[in-house]
Amino acid sequence: AQSVTQLDSHVSVSEGTPVLLRCNYSSSYSPSLFWYVQHPNKGLQLLLKYTSAATLVKGINGFEAEFKKSETSFHLTKPSAHMSDAAEYFCVVSDLDYTDKLIFGTGTRLQVFP
Amino acid sequence: GAGVSQSPSNKVTEKGKDVELRCDPISGHTALYWYRQSLGQGLEFLIYFQGNSAPDKSGLPSDRFSAERTGGSVSTLTIQRTQQEDSAVYLCASWVRTASYNEQFFGPGTRLTVL
Repeated sequence: AQSVTQLDSHVSVSEGTPVLLRCNYSSSYSPSLFWYVQHPNKGLQLLLKYTSAATLVKGINGFEAEFKKSETSFHLTKPSAHMSDAAEYFCVVSDLDYTDKLIFGTGTRLQVFP
Repeated sequence: GAGVSQSPSNKVTEKGKDVELRCDPISGHTALYWYRQSLGQGLEFLIYFQGNSAPDKSGLPSDRFSAERTGGSVSTLTIQRTQQEDSAVYLCASWVRTASYNEQFFGPGTRLTVL
């Protein structure tokens, strides 16, 4: 069985400071992991994905995430937050070798203050 | 190119009425998904179509929910006898799996409000 836990429902940072959005997963197989972003009144957009290649994955808008199997984590980071990063972020797990279903976390709302 | 489109963007209905939500996937995408996003929740999987295979309906919350996909393209999600707890944003996604690429593309969603 697969599951994903986003440890923070809300994260607030000041513009220019680092961002850390935490995600832990559970998977019986080798997982594929994704981060999606949802801006207000916009559709979901893929930020980055891990599919058993390099463990440090770089995505769009300066975001990156590191797959740590020993910690079953896939935390999302960005060195310097921008006002436009304010959005809802979803961590997603799938065992793509066996299923096409994606399991979504409950989301983390990122607020960025000037 | 065109992305996934959904209609209507907003739907307000009265309790007990039936509603139909439409999804137009990206042309050529063989897989189509429906998800539900309730306020403050993640995305809840509802149903999945892949090519001509029987759909995976394991996420449908009750028999009031049904979906069909005609001609391997457009899909309609139908909710019969709507209840207030059906109020949510209903999202559709499509993708085509290749050896090196897999990504679901999401539509903007239909916001359903049941009064």
